[in-house]
Amino acid sequence: SQTIHQWPATLVQPVGSPLSLECTVEGTSNPNLYWYRQAAGRGLQLLFYSVGIGQISSEVPQNLSASRPQDRQFILSSKKLLLSDSGFYLCAWSTTAGWNQPQHFGDGTRLSIL
Amino acid sequence: KQEVTQIPAALSVPEGENLVLNCSFTDSAIYNLQWFRQDPGKGLTSLLLIQSSQREQTSGRLNASLDKSSGRSTLYIAASQPGDSATYLCAVRRGSNYKLTFGKGTLLTVNP
Repeated sequence: SQTIHQWPATLVQPVGSPLSLECTVEGTSNPNLYWYRQAAGRGLQLLFYSVGIGQISSEVPQNLSASRPQDRQFILSSKKLLLSDSGFYLCAWSTTAGWNQPQHFGDGTRLSIL
Repeated sequence: KQEVTQIPAALSVPEGENLVLNCSFTDSAIYNLQWFRQDPGKGLTSLLLIQSSQREQTSGRLNASLDKSSGRSTLYIAASQPGDSATYLCAVRRGSNYKLTFGKGTLLTVNP
């Protein structure tokens, strides 16, 4: 069966520090991968998605970037964190077998910026 | 721009009650609609996915319906249990874009 792992589970970082969140998927090949952010009082917002190695699409201009160095690895990064980057970051995956495939989510990373 | 609204924002019911959660969306040109549950501090668990050509999907005590023309979906939970307590989110996928647009969720509390 397929599993998705995110780490760390929680992170406290000072303003201006760099960020690297990692997500890996097991049990499937060539998945679509997604990064979402869930901010307090707001719905989930898609940040990036990837349909293959090195292929990244950005949905919202921001202080963050994403990379996919391997088929089942998706990384969310920032060079300098802002207070507004605080939130709950979720990674998700779906198969590429047709359009009507559900997205499956990891357990998330709670990011607090001080 | 697609907007998804979930009503009510919070719901508290006694154990054993049947209940309905509502989701509405502004643009009916959707590929599918997905219902999720989110436990506090956790990620999302996919419950049901309804394709645009379908009217409903069932899984155990859960039944989701879709009326695409009116921009509405409902999630029916039968014989609710305390373990059903969570935030329920709906999300729509529009066209060939991979993006899911989420509602803000309904916080469900089932009291024993």
